[in-house]
Amino acid sequence: DGGITQSPKYLFRKEGQNVTLSCEQNLNHDAMYWYRQDPGQGLRLIYYSQIVNDFQKGDIAEGYSVSREKKESFPLTVTSAQKNPTAFYLCASTRTGGDEKLFFGSGTQLSVL
Amino acid sequence: EDKVVQSPLSLVVHEGDTVTLNCSYEVTNFRSLLWYKQEKKAPTFLFMLTSSGIEKKSGRLSSILDKKELFSILNITATQTGDSAVYLCAVLSGTYKYIFGTGTRLKVLA
Repeated sequence: DGGITQSPKYLFRKEGQNVTLSCEQNLNHDAMYWYRQDPGQGLRLIYYSQIVNDFQKGDIAEGYSVSREKKESFPLTVTSAQKNPTAFYLCASTRTGGDEKLFFGSGTQLSVL
Repeated sequence: EDKVVQSPLSLVVHEGDTVTLNCSYEVTNFRSLLWYKQEKKAPTFLFMLTSSGIEKKSGRLSSILDKKELFSILNITATQTGDSAVYLCAVLSGTYKYIFGTGTRLKVLA
């Protein structure tokens, strides 16, 4: 089945630690996104990538980094510079230039120890 | 600044009721408006609307877009407990930027 796989489902971060959230898609989509969801708030865009080896900052990129070395993969690193990382993180993807539906992974809940 | 506003923020109804969820937007370079249902983790797609006045329908759910007044509504008739979820509205601005509202949390009581 085609889809987006996020791992792990739950992740705990210690002070000063960098952690990486995985996102893999087999939908052959060009564009991939990372969103952060806090309770009572909508989805806020962290980073997006429209093509391999290229990505752009979203509205809340500070304290996060990404890479896009393969079309299928778009990992997100939450660095120690992100002082309030506890949130639910959603990865999404879509084709560009056609169907504009955004498809989502099942998310990663990140908490601080 | 682009923004999408959903109302109400939360809603509690009884099974069999009809509900109307609202989404208004102020977005440059509007391309489409999308509705999603988020039950536990991954939002699932419901509708995409691009043209004004054309109703999209799927079973008990329907949605319509008014591009002149800059809003959309999502109707759910004969609600069931399985409709309990957060309903998200998003607007696509340009080719890549999806702007989300805060969502409406719907709880349907048996």
